Amino acid sequence: DVKVTQSSRYLVKRTGEKVFLECVQDMDHENMFWYRQDPGLGLRLIYFSYDVKMKEKGDIPEGYSVSREKKERFSLILESASTNQTSMYLCASSSELANTEAFFGQGTRLTVV
Amino acid sequence: RKEVEQDPGPFNVPEGATVAFNCTYSNSASQSFFWYRQDCRKEPKLLMSVYSSGNEDGRFTAQLNRASQYISLLIRDSKLSDSATYLCVPQMGSYQLTFGKGTKLSVIP
Repeated sequence: DVKVTQSSRYLVKRTGEKVFLECVQDMDHENMFWYRQDPGLGLRLIYFSYDVKMKEKGDIPEGYSVSREKKERFSLILESASTNQTSMYLCASSSELANTEAFFGQGTRLTVV
Repeated sequence: RKEVEQDPGPFNVPEGATVAFNCTYSNSASQSFFWYRQDCRKEPKLLMSVYSSGNEDGRFTAQLNRASQYISLLIRDSKLSDSATYLCVPQMGSYQLTFGKGTKLSVIP
């Protein structure tokens, strides 16, 4: 079974803190993604990576950065957390083969206070 | 025009009913199409792919109309366990996925 594991299910951080969300996949997938999901807004792509050390901005990259030093790990960084970054964060991975499904982690519910 | 449009619902249907969801997409270059299912407070999971000729998987039937840029999902004989949000996902290549906001289904006893 494909497994995408996010480091935390729930996280509470203070405004201004630097926050790291970690994601690890065990299927040797080339592509990895970070989304946030908010009520009424659906899934919005923050960043994605199609190879080690490669990253591309998604639809809402402002206030975020990412790191992919190893193929299996993709980290999302909130440089200075703000209350409007309170959300559910979902990591996903997929094969480089075209038109294959994405596998999601269980999500991290981040609350910034 | 939004990239992927879905009726948000909720669709409240009795057990055993047939229900259909529609989805329109704006990117005509989309090459493949999927329906994902997301249970409350869980991650999305693939329900089924959508092929040009239409395809069926048990009680679920998916249809694609490329000319109209329209995808549908039909669920027959609804079960309580079908209650979830259904996400329409056109995809181009291996990493250009576009998720719809989803349609919420509640199957009522």
